[in-house]
Amino acid sequence: DIQMTQSPSTLSASVGDRVTITCRASQSISSWLAWYQQKPGKAPTLVISKASSLGAGVPSRFSGGGSGTQFTLTISGLQPDDCATYYCQQYYSPLYTFGQGTRLEI
Amino acid sequence: QITLRESGPALVRPTQTLTLTCSFSGFSLTQTGMSVSWVRQSPGRALEWIARITWNDDKYYTTSLKTRLLISKDTSKNQVTLTVPSADPADTGTYFCARTRVGGATRESYYYYMDVWGKGTTVTVSS
Repeated sequence: DIQMTQSPSTLSASVGDRVTITCRASQSISSWLAWYQQKPGKAPTLVISKASSLGAGVPSRFSGGGSGTQFTLTISGLQPDDCATYYCQQYYSPLYTFGQGTRLEI
Repeated sequence: QITLRESGPALVRPTQTLTLTCSFSGFSLTQTGMSVSWVRQSPGRALEWIARITWNDDKYYTTSLKTRLLISKDTSKNQVTLTVPSADPADTGTYFCARTRVGGATRESYYYYMDVWGKGTTVTVSS
């Protein structure tokens, strides 16, 4: 199975900051990567698909990049509502795998 | 509007069968390129994808649980069912279902991503 590794595990930032979360795949997954946001006690919501395509209704301060094995999720102009755990997930293989998550504290 | 709702028992005894149902609306599993996934989250842990069923009845399971899970669909009821024949305390957690749709293709394959999720249902496996 493809392993997904995120860094950092926890990230502390302030309102207005620009933050970047990194996700690495154990083999090339082209651009078949999604990012999800999960708030405590809630279901995940889609942020980014195909590495850089913004999900429906997602603010433009979110952006995704990368291809192959290295990917990033960047949030520019951090807002209090962005406090959540973020997960990357590959869908190159039909056996999907998630990263371990990055908790963003604001 | 696309909605998914998970349902099932809150408490299951070890070795009993755990059956979870995902009821959805706003799309159909008869549509080409459509599928539904199940994702599990153990308390305080990361998301774990565990199963998916496609419009043409292909089924996929995570490697670690492949022998313990069964996924099926009832297109007339717009439902997907996940069955764990012999529940274990390690199966405790919140189970989400998610619409999983084609997000792109190459000459070799189609690629599906989870775009809309249910709110989840929490299951405890304990005696």
